Amino acid sequence: AQKITQTQPGMFVQEKEAVTLDCTYDTSDQSYGLFWYKQPSSGEMIFLIYQGSYDEQNATEGRYSLNFQKARKSANLVISASQLGDSAMYFCAMGDNYGQNFVFGPGTRLSVLP
Amino acid sequence: SQTIHQWPATLVQPVGSPLSLECTVEGTSNPNLYWYRQAAGRGLQLLFYSVGIGQISSEVPQNLSASRPQDRQFILSSKKLLLSDSGFYLCAWSRDRDNEQYFGPGTRLTVT
Repeated sequence: AQKITQTQPGMFVQEKEAVTLDCTYDTSDQSYGLFWYKQPSSGEMIFLIYQGSYDEQNATEGRYSLNFQKARKSANLVISASQLGDSAMYFCAMGDNYGQNFVFGPGTRLSVLP
Repeated sequence: SQTIHQWPATLVQPVGSPLSLECTVEGTSNPNLYWYRQAAGRGLQLLFYSVGIGQISSEVPQNLSASRPQDRQFILSSKKLLLSDSGFYLCAWSRDRDNEQYFGPGTRLTVT
């Protein structure tokens, strides 16, 4: 069975600094996708970034980058130049190539300090 | 562009009453559709997913059911709500064979 682990229930970062949110996963599938979502206090889920298991380069989207280490089964999210609006819950997730068997981690609450 | 709607945004219902939450997607056809519940400390829990009209897969046994009467409509129901059904319910869609899921605004359900 697939499983996502996020070991940091809460994180603090100073505004304008970079922060890394950890995510490790467990799967026996050879082909899979890894995702990060942001959930602000409003509750909506916002897709941030995607990494395919066969992608050789780490995914980047603006200030977000995914540090993908396949051998270690980790997919950490790096947020550069943190902003106050980055304060939110962040979920790591994994799915198969058919959009099924989607599994989410428990989330990490990020607080950006002014 | 594609949009996903959920209603109501908030709902307070007594124990034993029925439930119907609706989710609709615009701007795409034959999407995969999902219902999630956000459980404290467990992140998101997948409740149901659907790959087509009338095709529903249940991930966990519970007091809830789902239906897909139209291609872009996904309904979460219950005949009799329990206190444990309280939570935040999210609907999501994805394109066939694409993994990215896009979420609706969610419904906060309080069962009293």
